[in-house]
This record gives sequence, C-alpha cells and structure tokens, in this order.
Amino acid sequence: KNEVEQSPQNLTAQEGEFITINCSYSVGISALHWLQQHPGGGIVSLFMLSSGKKKHGRLIATINIQEKHSSLHITASHPRDSAVYICAVKQTSGSRLTFGEGTQLTVNP
Amino acid sequence: ETGVTQTPRHLVMGMTNKKSLKCEQHLGHNAMYWYKQSAKKPLELMFVYNFKEQTENNSVPSRFSPECPNSSHLFLHLHTLQPEDSALYLCASSQAGLAGYTQETQYFGPGTRLLVL
Repeated sequence: KNEVEQSPQNLTAQEGEFITINCSYSVGISALHWLQQHPGGGIVSLFMLSSGKKKHGRLIATINIQEKHSSLHITASHPRDSAVYICAVKQTSGSRLTFGEGTQLTVNP
Repeated sequence: ETGVTQTPRHLVMGMTNKKSLKCEQHLGHNAMYWYKQSAKKPLELMFVYNFKEQTENNSVPSRFSPECPNSSHLFLHLHTLQPEDSALYLCASSQAGLAGYTQETQYFGPGTRLLVL
C-alpha cells in the first residue's frame, strides 16, 4: 500500500463543474504539496500546506492533519484545467517528498 | 515557465550509448533534484544536491551518474541503460535552508522523455 493515496485515479467533468480530488496519507508529515502536471510533462507547484486552507484563484486546497487527509477543489472548471494532479507529502521522519500516483483530470467543453 | 530548463526534451538512445541530460535553474536556488517518472507510477526521487553536494542517492543504479558543477546546473550522465529505464526524467530546484530542503516548494522543469531501445 502506498504511503500516499489519491482518489479518484481518473476524473472526467463538464466545463463549469466543481471538482474535488482527494489525498490520504499514512505517515506523519510536516507539509503537503499539490502539483499539476500538464501533458508535456512539466510540473507546477500549486500549493504547499501544513494546516488549514489555501486559495488561489479557482483552486482551493484544504488539509486535516488529524484525519491525514487533504483535498484539492477546482471551482468553475475549464478545459485548460485538464492535467494530472499530484499530491506529495514531506514526511517528518526524513526530508524527501513522497508522491501519490496522481489523478488524471479531463474537463470537457 | 518555472525558471527551470531541461535539455534535451526528448531522447532516444540504444543500450550501448552514452548520453547526458542537462538541467539549469535561473532562480538562485541552492538545492537541485533528479526525479524519474515511469508510466502509471508515482514520481521517484533519484538524487538530491544541496549546496552542490550530493545529499541523497535513492539506491539508483550506477548506470545513472549525476554531476552538479555549480548550484545552477545539474547533469545526469547515462550509460548502458536498459529498456526499463525509459521514462520521463524531471529536474527540480528549491531554496533550502542550512537544515536541509525540508519544506521549501520545489520548482520543476519540463522533463526529458527518454526512450531506451
């Protein structure tokens, strides 16, 4: 079992829909990252969280440390949001990032 | 554009070839990383350089050889690779404190898609 699990693995939505991607982890962490990977391969860091909630434009990320769970929400989704969204955690024991397998999001017009 | 560039973007090589991947960051960061991303698998950390010193080698086979001549450049030298080494190789950088690269956001390059025949 991976230390970082994401759900769903694949998600298809219609333009304008509200989208939620979930991340659960089984280790102690000091920070959690949400990353976006476009089809060309490049990865962009969206958020780094250690508690609470962060918002950037149409993207919202939340984390519940007690439940070891984080969610990434996209409001008013758009086809350009189509990408792989990756959750990564920075474990308290050690310094490397551990990555989830990613969620492939497709937003249709 | 994240400030991290990688060349080449695509590479096809035979198992007896020697090639190098290059990464350059224009962000003034002091930590650089090599990651491997295989199909349907999570990102795997390969190497970490902090202040030009290798601080982590994640049990990577010796056919992959990193080099960090300065804090802005990182190379991955490849020789006698296997077909299962075909993957997307991503470089990243971050600004790490003296205690390590713990919580800093990493900035990723576009990756080099490698095919080994």
